[in-house]
Amino acid sequence: QVVLTQSPSASASLGASVKLTCTLSSGHSNYAIAWHQQQPEKGPRYLMNLNSDGSHSKGDGIPDRFSGSSSGAERYLTISSLQAEDEADYYCQTWGTGFHGVFGGGTRLTVL
Amino acid sequence: QLQLQESGPGLVKPSETLSLTCTVSGDSISSNNYYWGWIRQPPGKGLEWIGSIHYSGSTYYNPSLKSRVTMSVDTSKNHFSLKLRSVTAADTAMYYCARVNLGNYGRRFDYWGQGTLVTVSS
Repeated sequence: QVVLTQSPSASASLGASVKLTCTLSSGHSNYAIAWHQQQPEKGPRYLMNLNSDGSHSKGDGIPDRFSGSSSGAERYLTISSLQAEDEADYYCQTWGTGFHGVFGGGTRLTVL
Repeated sequence: QLQLQESGPGLVKPSETLSLTCTVSGDSISSNNYYWGWIRQPPGKGLEWIGSIHYSGSTYYNPSLKSRVTMSVDTSKNHFSLKLRSVTAADTAMYYCARVNLGNYGRRFDYWGQGTLVTVSS
């Protein structure tokens, strides 16, 4: 079964850029993933779907500051011009065998 | 704009059945392009997929919960439901419903509800 690995935490300064990483387990490097943002005390929000070739499609109303890229088994979410409201938990998610949803453990982003 | 709203009891006793409903507004639940899913999040922890259902009744469940989960759809009310049997304190969590879009850009949870907190306690 596919496993997604994320660093528990990340931090960056207001106005700077940050790149979050989601790593697919061995044998699953061609999988697409989705990125979701969860601001404090809120439900998750879909950011984008990200393919193995780096192509991505964003959700409704997602700013251009959010972009995705891929390299091998790594999937990245880059947030540029960081704003205070970007402080949130970020989850990657994919689909395992038999249409089973799989989530990474999440990365808590702190905006300094 | 699509909206999903979870509803149900906020407190369930151990060994009883947790029952939640997700009401969909802004779109029809009866579309071949979508599945509808449940995801939960224990306090202070990450997201866990519970299962997904199509309006036709086709279901997929998390193997770790499969023996206790039943999902159903009511197209006349444009809502879908979750039942989780024999609950314990470990089932205490925020429960979210979400739409699974099967469209051109890849299968994805593209809309989420705000969530409802369910506590299992006597």
